[in-house]
Amino acid sequence: SQQGEEDPQALSIQEGENATMNCSYKTSINNLQWYRQNSGRGLVHLILIRSNEREKHSGRLRVTLDTSKKSSSLLITASRAADTASYFCATDARSNYQLIWGAGTKLIIKP
Amino acid sequence: NAGVTQTPKFQVLKTGQSMTLQCAQDMNHEYMSWYRQDPGMGLRLIHYSVGAGITDQGEVPNGYNVSRSTTEDFPLRLLSAAPSQTSVYFCASSYGVAEPQHFGDGTRLSIL
Repeated sequence: SQQGEEDPQALSIQEGENATMNCSYKTSINNLQWYRQNSGRGLVHLILIRSNEREKHSGRLRVTLDTSKKSSSLLITASRAADTASYFCATDARSNYQLIWGAGTKLIIKP
Repeated sequence: NAGVTQTPKFQVLKTGQSMTLQCAQDMNHEYMSWYRQDPGMGLRLIHYSVGAGITDQGEVPNGYNVSRSTTEDFPLRLLSAAPSQTSVYFCASSYGVAEPQHFGDGTRLSIL
């Protein structure tokens, strides 16, 4: 079963626009993480937000967390062609040692 | 630092064959895990380890074995390969499950 569910499944925008993707989860968590996966490669960690945080920034990335709605969003500002990738959220349920992953959002940046 | 190293990068097996996927990390991470990723899907946890000598099952453990005799190495064994095990396999390591995970580049496995 998948705890994290991302939407949209796919997103295509023009270079320079902002991209927003969302993640919902089911159980209480310690933290939520976002990762990027370029085609054919391993995942790369982008940002981690803890359950007691509401917003976090890293460069052009902004992540929000709403524990009451069990949801998070990832905003990429001023998108670039190099941002073309799949983005995944992962959560760790407080009751075990396992990360649960969503199915990902495929982001395409058009030049 | 090499990070997380997975070998081989590609492998083709026949149904019923066995093999071991290797994973090694040089970051002294206690937590290591194996995932499989099928087309258009997220990662599904196969097995994980919280330290040397300790392993446990994830979401999809059937048909796979693991061991963790050292902190650095976490091999994944396919006991008797089946076509349903055709997938991309990723190994990851970290200081803990709630910490950023470091991934290898994956092993692309095809079972004929």
